[in-house]
Amino acid sequence: KAGVTQTPRYLIKTRGQQVTLSCSPISGHRSVSWYQQTPGQGLQFLFEYFSETQRNKGNFPGRFSGRQFSNSRSEMNVSTLELGDSALYLCASTAEGSGGPSTDTQYFGPGTRLTVL
Amino acid sequence: GQQLNQSPQSMFIQEGEDVSMNCTSSSIFNTWLWYKQDPGEGPVLLIALYKAGELTSNGRLTAQFGTTRKDSFLNISASIPSDVGIYFCAGRSQGAQKLVFGQGTRLTINP
Repeated sequence: KAGVTQTPRYLIKTRGQQVTLSCSPISGHRSVSWYQQTPGQGLQFLFEYFSETQRNKGNFPGRFSGRQFSNSRSEMNVSTLELGDSALYLCASTAEGSGGPSTDTQYFGPGTRLTVL
Repeated sequence: GQQLNQSPQSMFIQEGEDVSMNCTSSSIFNTWLWYKQDPGEGPVLLIALYKAGELTSNGRLTAQFGTTRKDSFLNISASIPSDVGIYFCAGRSQGAQKLVFGQGTRLTINP
């Protein structure tokens, strides 16, 4: 089974622009979560999608948004980029289901490194 | 948001030494996960624990689900240079949909 894929891997944008990042979960996985990781800040939870609905949301401004498609693929969008948005953006997928707690294990993609100039 | 208390924050050891790190929570968890992250890459799942008291090994790595269900431990035996990286614990409390993560332990190995 292919792992979680994220595109693009690297991105350079300037302040004020907007960006869209894409995540394809492991085949059969239904939940996708997004995290922002900056040096010294650890993994900051952005949001989680399940069955095309946002199920959980972290403490990020409204400039950060996302969506999930019927095939479980997910995108996140950041509008009006700021310098502080430079980070590694990670996507993780989870199987979910009636298979017990093991189906709740998150598997991460390689991340998209966003640099805002 | 809620985060786990992971310690130590960093470790500097000699190649061949054993390593121990742990995570504690104020809540009871029913899942504990340990990940390793290399620079510029996403975290890779090392070990998953689902039962209190469970002890699971993955090669030189061993992790335990604490019997109080509020802590977990990861041990690495006979460290080698490729063990360098950041190790994260993550857990899920009963009824919660969201994982919470520790702040990470940065492991540095001197050859």
